[in-house]
Amino acid sequence: SQTIHQWPATLVQPVGSPLSLECTVEGTSNPNLYWYRQAAGRGLQLLFYSVGIGQISSEVPQNLSASRPQDRQFILSSKKLLLSDSGFYLCAWIEGNYGYTFGSGTRLTVV
Amino acid sequence: GDSVTQMEGPVTLSEEAFLTINCTYTATGYPSLFWYVQYPGEGLQLLLKATKADDKGSNKGFEATYRKETTSFHLEKGSVQVSDSAVYFCALRSGNQFYFGTGTSLTVIP
Repeated sequence: SQTIHQWPATLVQPVGSPLSLECTVEGTSNPNLYWYRQAAGRGLQLLFYSVGIGQISSEVPQNLSASRPQDRQFILSSKKLLLSDSGFYLCAWIEGNYGYTFGSGTRLTVV
Repeated sequence: GDSVTQMEGPVTLSEEAFLTINCTYTATGYPSLFWYVQYPGEGLQLLLKATKADDKGSNKGFEATYRKETTSFHLEKGSVQVSDSAVYFCALRSGNQFYFGTGTSLTVIP
C-alpha cells in the first residue's frame, strides 16, 4: 500500500536558522509531490510541486526552496527562517484520479 | 482562473443537529471535487469526492452532490457528533492542480 511519511512532527527554530523538512512516499513510483503551508487560522497555500526528480515548480515567491533528489523524496528548505515562516507544513501526493494523500504535517514555530 | 469559495466559520452546532457547509466553485473545465477533514493537530484526510456532475460522494454519514448547474458541492450530515469537530476543506482538482477553500471550522457541543 502507498504511504507518505513526513518529519519532524514539531519543530521550534530561531529566526535566521536553516530549515529542512523531509517527505517520503512508499508504494508508488514517479508520484506528483506537493508542499503546502497552512498558517494559523488560514487556508492552505501551495508552495511547491514536483512532477519528477529535479523538477520543482514554485507557486509563490518566498523564503523557502524545495528539492527532489530522489523519486520518492521531497525536501522543503530554508537558509534563514523568518517569523512569518511559522505554520503547519503538509506534504502531499496524488494517485491517479484520486485526491491528495497528505502527510501528517510538521508544525513549525519560528521564535 | 479556477477557485473554490467556502462558507466561512466557525460553525457551532449541538450534537445531532443537521450540518450544511456551503462550497461553490469556478472552473473552466470539468473538475473533480473533494471534501477534506482536518482533526485537531493532524494533517488533512480525504472525506469524500465526486468526479463528475450529479455524482454524490458519501462517507461517515457525510454527503455532497456535484451540482454543475449551480457549481456547488455542499457538505451535509443529518446528525453531527462531537467527534465531527474539525476543520473542513472543499477542494477542486483540475488536471494536477488543486484549489482549496479556506476551511470551515466546526465545533459540535454535547
